[in-house]
Amino acid sequence: EVQLVESGGGLVQPGGSLRLSCAASGFALGSYYIHWVRQVPGKGLAWLSRINSDGSVVFYTDSVKGRLTISRDNARNMCFLQMSSLRAEDTGLYYCARGGRATVTDFLDSWGHGTRVTVSS
Amino acid sequence: EIVLTQSPGTLSLSPGDRATLSCRASQSVSGNYLAWYQERPGQAPRLLIYGASSRSTGIPDRFSGSGSGTDFTLTISRLEPEDFAVYYCQQYGTSLLTFGGGTKVDIK
Repeated sequence: EVQLVESGGGLVQPGGSLRLSCAASGFALGSYYIHWVRQVPGKGLAWLSRINSDGSVVFYTDSVKGRLTISRDNARNMCFLQMSSLRAEDTGLYYCARGGRATVTDFLDSWGHGTRVTVSS
Repeated sequence: EIVLTQSPGTLSLSPGDRATLSCRASQSVSGNYLAWYQERPGQAPRLLIYGASSRSTGIPDRFSGSGSGTDFTLTISRLEPEDFAVYYCQQYGTSLLTFGGGTKVDIK
């Protein structure tokens, strides 16, 4: 069974940092693109970042560029999101999701249950 | 960045009704790489449709997707109680993916 489990969320002060982890099981993470998506109640889903299969190509939405860094460790079947200079508007539920093996099939077919990040003083 | 606009914001219907949800893109979606997701309270989003019209594994055939270019539609032919949820469209035709703002289907 394909599973993704996020961890690392919590309460952090504005300007602080967090590192989110996504552990995959039931499939070879190294064959797929991985994405991070944020859910804010009342505001819907927001795509944040994508990393390709070998970690050589990454993309970020403009609002997080320079503050978020996506990475992966295929040997450990894990993906990470390093978050810095956090703002109140970064508060939300963070999902990792499995994409495709290529850009043309890069829809999100499996999702974790999310890890909650709260940015507040 | 492609902006996706979903309408209506809320759709109030009864079980057994037909639901028609719209997703309009600010520019043509390459390859019709458009997906639809369902989000139920307390659950992770679930992929329903990809490639504008292909159903994901295990999705009932009452869900169907159509459209091309800039205009896409998700249709639920007969609403079941478990279909009352929020639905999002998403394009994956560019390097920066984007979601629509969502349509909530609630019970009338």
